[in-house]
Amino acid sequence: KNEVEQSPQNLTAQEGEFITINCSYSVGISALHWLQQHPGGGIVSLFMLSSGKKKHGRLIATINIQEKHSSLHITASHPRDSAVYICAVRDYSNFGNEKLTFGTGTRLTIIP
Amino acid sequence: GAGVSQSPSNKVTEKGKDVELRCDPISGHTALYWYRQSLGQGLEFLIYFQGNSAPDKSGLPSDRFSAERTGGSVSTLTIQRTQQEDSAVYLCASSRTGDQPQHFGDGTRLSIL
Repeated sequence: KNEVEQSPQNLTAQEGEFITINCSYSVGISALHWLQQHPGGGIVSLFMLSSGKKKHGRLIATINIQEKHSSLHITASHPRDSAVYICAVRDYSNFGNEKLTFGTGTRLTIIP
Repeated sequence: GAGVSQSPSNKVTEKGKDVELRCDPISGHTALYWYRQSLGQGLEFLIYFQGNSAPDKSGLPSDRFSAERTGGSVSTLTIQRTQQEDSAVYLCASSRTGDQPQHFGDGTRLSIL
């Protein structure tokens, strides 16, 4: 069982739909990252959070530490949101060691 | 351009050759990471540098892989006696400190023939 699991693996939606991508992890963590990888391969860090909720534009990330679960939401989705979204965690037991463990990603396609 | 810079962007080499991949982090960033993304696979941690501390090499897959960071800035990842399974995109990232968001380079696509 992977330490970090994402669902769904693939998601296709119409422009304007509300999108939710889920991430579950099995270890105690000190931080969770959401990353976006564009079709060309470039990776952008969207959020880093250890509790609660963060919002940036149309993107919202939440985390429930007790349930070991995080969600990434996209409101009013747009074709330019099409990318692979990757969840990554920093294991709490590795304090001082910033190694990240990655999920396998969710491929999002937004159809105009 | 103030982003993380990696070179070369593409590298094709024959099995058994040594390769060097370079990463220029964002100026002032003390933390530097190397990752690998094989075709159809997720990202895999390789090595982490933080300031002058000993690097965390726990992700290096074999002793053919090594990395150094000179002067706390530029880093080089070296793969000796390359094998076909080394073919992947090698990504470098840096962050201001170890607990800050990471900024990724565009990666080096390595192909071993």
